[in-house]
Amino acid sequence: AAGVIQSPRHLIKEKRETATLKCYPIPRHDTVYWYQQGPGQDPQFLISFYEKMQSDKGSIPDRFSAQQFSDYHSELNMSSLELGDSALYFCASSLGRGLAGYTFGSGTRLTVV
Amino acid sequence: ELKVEQNPLFLSMQEGKNYTIYCNYSTTSDRLYWYRQDPGKSLESLFVLLSNGAVKQEGRLMASLDTKARLSTLHITAAVHDLSATYFCAVDYSGAGSYQLTFGKGTKLSVIP
Repeated sequence: AAGVIQSPRHLIKEKRETATLKCYPIPRHDTVYWYQQGPGQDPQFLISFYEKMQSDKGSIPDRFSAQQFSDYHSELNMSSLELGDSALYFCASSLGRGLAGYTFGSGTRLTVV
Repeated sequence: ELKVEQNPLFLSMQEGKNYTIYCNYSTTSDRLYWYRQDPGKSLESLFVLLSNGAVKQEGRLMASLDTKARLSTLHITAAVHDLSATYFCAVDYSGAGSYQLTFGKGTKLSVIP
């Protein structure tokens, strides 16, 4: 079965650089979520999109922005990167806002040096 | 604000033993999820619990939900080494029309031969 696809799997950036993470949800899923997981931490909700419209915002820094495109893929744009942005970034998708569960992608490991 | 508390946070158990992980949450929700995460890996969905009294079992793991007590349990029967991982519970908070998962801190399980 198709899963949530994230790219790249690993990314190394220097401080103050920008990064773009991509997410391709499961076909026909109508909602996409972004989560950030620091080392040894639980995943923290950043932002979500329902039918290509921003649905909800969590603890997303102003330096980050995201959007969902007409083909339902989503991108998380991160600017002015800081060392503290080093984390695993997960994208998840769901149908019907989680009634059948949320499926997570493999994640992008971002390292800021 | 929704709070999700798991305990214990660390669990070391011998193979063949039984144990229970507890997940309490602070606001009304009928939907609770359990995930497994291996180090540096994605979140693997274990159980989706959608109603009061729901009980689901898969192999040596059994999850239950009591929405009145705002409590879910993940019971491990006759643990084996392969179950070593971090287990997260997450609650689907739909307050104010938004939908997002709020995670507990996770329970790091180590099964010792």
